[in-house]
Amino acid sequence: GAGVSQTPSNKVTEKGKYVELRCDPISGHTALYWYRQSLGQGPEFLIYFQGTGAADDSGLPNDRFFAVRPEGSVSTLKIQRTERGDSAVYLCASSLRTLPNSYGYTFGSGTRLTVV
Amino acid sequence: KQEVTQIPAALSVPEGENLVLNCSFTDSAIYNLQWFRQDPGKGLTSLLLIQSSQREQTSGRLNASLDKSSGRSTLYIAASQPGDSATYLCAGYSFAGNKLTFGGGTRVLVKP
Repeated sequence: GAGVSQTPSNKVTEKGKYVELRCDPISGHTALYWYRQSLGQGPEFLIYFQGTGAADDSGLPNDRFFAVRPEGSVSTLKIQRTERGDSAVYLCASSLRTLPNSYGYTFGSGTRLTVV
Repeated sequence: KQEVTQIPAALSVPEGENLVLNCSFTDSAIYNLQWFRQDPGKGLTSLLLIQSSQREQTSGRLNASLDKSSGRSTLYIAASQPGDSATYLCAGYSFAGNKLTFGGGTRVLVKP
């Protein structure tokens, strides 16, 4: 597609439930990133993929969070046993490659997750 | 570890005034720096990307500078308009982290 697509745009879930957030990057972009943005703050890094593999998952807050990118294109961020503190906007970005990052990142519109 | 700071957190100016937004970073081994705009409830729109070998980038009324030695970048918006009201975020890309590190953003309001 022309841009990075994220679905759903909004997700409301009950505490303790499982959720999946999807990201469809720009075609041909090998690098894919997930960020989380809380209200009034800048985005914080969660994980990035180079191709199918997670090259750096150091930003995942705990083992309830997991992400996959099985075919090197679409990625899914999975959150188990959601907590109210997980409420945030989850942003996905893609880039032509990671090193060198000469082209910058293109971000999707995000998924607003609300845990009630 | 790269840390990025944006001051002030919020800024209000009358229409027509020039805007100056500041960004500072701790790791001078920065590969590039990217400025984004974010409208309420929306994603990030890339405005300008400055490579470490460059001093500035320009696009229309926007000009961004990069000074690695002092760890600073500045975004200038000339002749501000109400449509420029948004949050502006800067983010640095370092080899050490292989990822963008964001500042907290500056929320701008341009009053008609």
